[in-house]
Amino acid sequence: GENVEQHPSTLSVQEGDSAVIKCTYSDSASNYFPWYKQELGKRPQLIIDIRSNVGEKKDQRIAVTLNKTAKHFSLHITETQPEDSAVYFCAASSGNTGKLIFGQGTTLQVKP
Amino acid sequence: KAGVTQTPRYLIKTRGQQVTLSCSPISGHRSVSWYQQTPGQGLQFLFEYFSETQRNKGNFPGRFSGRQFSNSRSEMNVSTLELGDSALYLCASSLGPRGPKNIQYFGAGTRLSVL
Repeated sequence: GENVEQHPSTLSVQEGDSAVIKCTYSDSASNYFPWYKQELGKRPQLIIDIRSNVGEKKDQRIAVTLNKTAKHFSLHITETQPEDSAVYFCAASSGNTGKLIFGQGTTLQVKP
Repeated sequence: KAGVTQTPRYLIKTRGQQVTLSCSPISGHRSVSWYQQTPGQGLQFLFEYFSETQRNKGNFPGRFSGRQFSNSRSEMNVSTLELGDSALYLCASSLGPRGPKNIQYFGAGTRLSVL
């Protein structure tokens, strides 16, 4: 069935370093890949997304890359800051549905 | 523009009871999806509604049901509550279910505790 695997489950970096989170999806029909950030006790917030007709997308310190052949996509955060500390979720869906399949989440800790 | 609003924010119920949760989407959004979030299972898809029709349903028992009204507001119902139903229930809305319109924005959730 549909599945999204996310690694690592926890990630600790020093402030200013880069962080990379990787996800692999199983459904070859998937064509939309959002990333959400969830701070403790708060709602998931969309931080960046990518569609299958694009290989890479950047928004300031955040970038996402997609490899459709290998069925994996990654989130890259550069120049990390303490406020980047949160749980990050990747997700995948096919274009004809609002059904998002989520990865298990990555707890990112940025140490000052 | 107001975000996705979920009510109530917190609920405490006992086993065997039923519960109804409400979700008001962002103005102009016509799609609503529901997710269950637990520490063990993460975020799991429950249902998707568009134009008052359920378009997708996740792998949850029939005790979980939902509906959408003509103003796009949605409700979900859980009957015969079990301890394992304790979770954060999140609602997300989007302009529509397809293509560029299917960007989902989440509400703050309803925290359900079943005792």
